[in-house]
Amino acid sequence: KQEVTQIPAALSVPEGENLVLNCSFTDSAIYNLQWFRQDPGKGLTSLLLIQSSQREQTSGRLNASLDKSSGRSTLYIAASQPGDSATYLCAVRRTGFQKLVFGTGTRLLVSP
Amino acid sequence: DTEVTQTPKHLVMGMTNKKSLKCEQHMGHRAMYWYKQKAKKPPELMFVYSYEKLSINESVPSRFSPECPNSSLLNLHLHALQPEDSALYLCASSQIGANEKLFFGSGTQLSVL
Repeated sequence: KQEVTQIPAALSVPEGENLVLNCSFTDSAIYNLQWFRQDPGKGLTSLLLIQSSQREQTSGRLNASLDKSSGRSTLYIAASQPGDSATYLCAVRRTGFQKLVFGTGTRLLVSP
Repeated sequence: DTEVTQTPKHLVMGMTNKKSLKCEQHMGHRAMYWYKQKAKKPPELMFVYSYEKLSINESVPSRFSPECPNSSLLNLHLHALQPEDSALYLCASSQIGANEKLFFGSGTQLSVL
């Protein structure tokens, strides 16, 4: 059974800092991994999708990396802004399965 | 159009009521999903439709009944719900194949009294 864990559970940083969010998964036979952001009471917004054959993806100030062998992904946010405050979730799709398994999430607060 | 639209945004219902949640997308996606999310928890998959056919049912109680009338619409029919069913219900859609990025709606916040 695939288990996905995110560390830290919560993070508070001042504006302008670079930060790293971590995601660990137990089964390395994954098809892809996605990072999402969720604002309180809202739906999820897809940030980046990394296929199992890829090592990283970049979008603006965001960079996500994937290391299947160690069961880890990181989301790097450069020059954080108050608007980045949200819960960040990673989700893993195992090979041969249509189901996404979500991590426990990291609540990020960026203070002005 | 890269939106998934869910209605209603909020719903309060009694345990004897029958109601339906609706979801619509016009991105040509052939996979549609229902997720349930409790406060401060990650979303949990309920159902998946692929090419308008139910492909995954995560052992959801029969008081939740999904329906996919066509490739753009997804409904979730609710009947005789319990207070513990109160949650945010999220609809999502995706292509089927290599680029399966999920697009989520903003959800229906359901309260069962």
